[in-house]
Amino acid sequence: SQQGEEDPQALSIQEGENATMNCSYKTSINNLQWYRQNSGRGLVHLILIRSNEREKHSGRLRVTLDTSKKSSSLLITASRAADTASYFCASNNYGQNFVFGPGTRLSVLP
Amino acid sequence: DTAVSQTPKYLVTQMGNDKSIKCEQNLGHDTMYWYKQDSKKFLKIMFSYNNKELIINETVPNRFSPKSPDKAHLNLHINSLELGDSAVYFCASSHPLAGGETQYFGPGTRLLVL
Repeated sequence: SQQGEEDPQALSIQEGENATMNCSYKTSINNLQWYRQNSGRGLVHLILIRSNEREKHSGRLRVTLDTSKKSSSLLITASRAADTASYFCASNNYGQNFVFGPGTRLSVLP
Repeated sequence: DTAVSQTPKYLVTQMGNDKSIKCEQNLGHDTMYWYKQDSKKFLKIMFSYNNKELIINETVPNRFSPKSPDKAHLNLHINSLELGDSAVYFCASSHPLAGGETQYFGPGTRLLVL
């Protein structure tokens, strides 16, 4: 069964605004990762947060992790048109396979 | 200098045919994967190979078989193709010394079964 779930499924914002995407998972994890997929392309790794971390930053990206709620969020600040893509979370359970959510489709309008 | 490459990029074929998709990575990674992404964008792992040993085999039909001639290649063979096999197939790789935690994806192979 699908474990990761992103929310919302689709998000449309204006350039310069912040975009927040959420992810939930069902089992205990070693780490959780976010990936971006541009239309017609493969997935690209954005950021990884370990189970003992609560927040992580990378450039305009901010990821939080709440293991008690089995949820994570990805915040993209000052969005740009080039951020338009699908964003996936992937939970990694201690050497087991990665479980990807269905993704959030982000549209950043100029 | 592509890290993970797949061929072909597009594959259109008739039901019942047998086809192969090739994957190569030049990153020196020990583990390679095959994923299937359906029309709703769900990405599901199919196989992973570590040092030429199959370590994960999700519940995929045995019409699908991974073949790894060396640790830089993991090809996917599909026999007796069915309409439901239409999807985008992604190859990926990761390295255990780096924690095996980051996956590098190929550009995908878009398979359409008619």
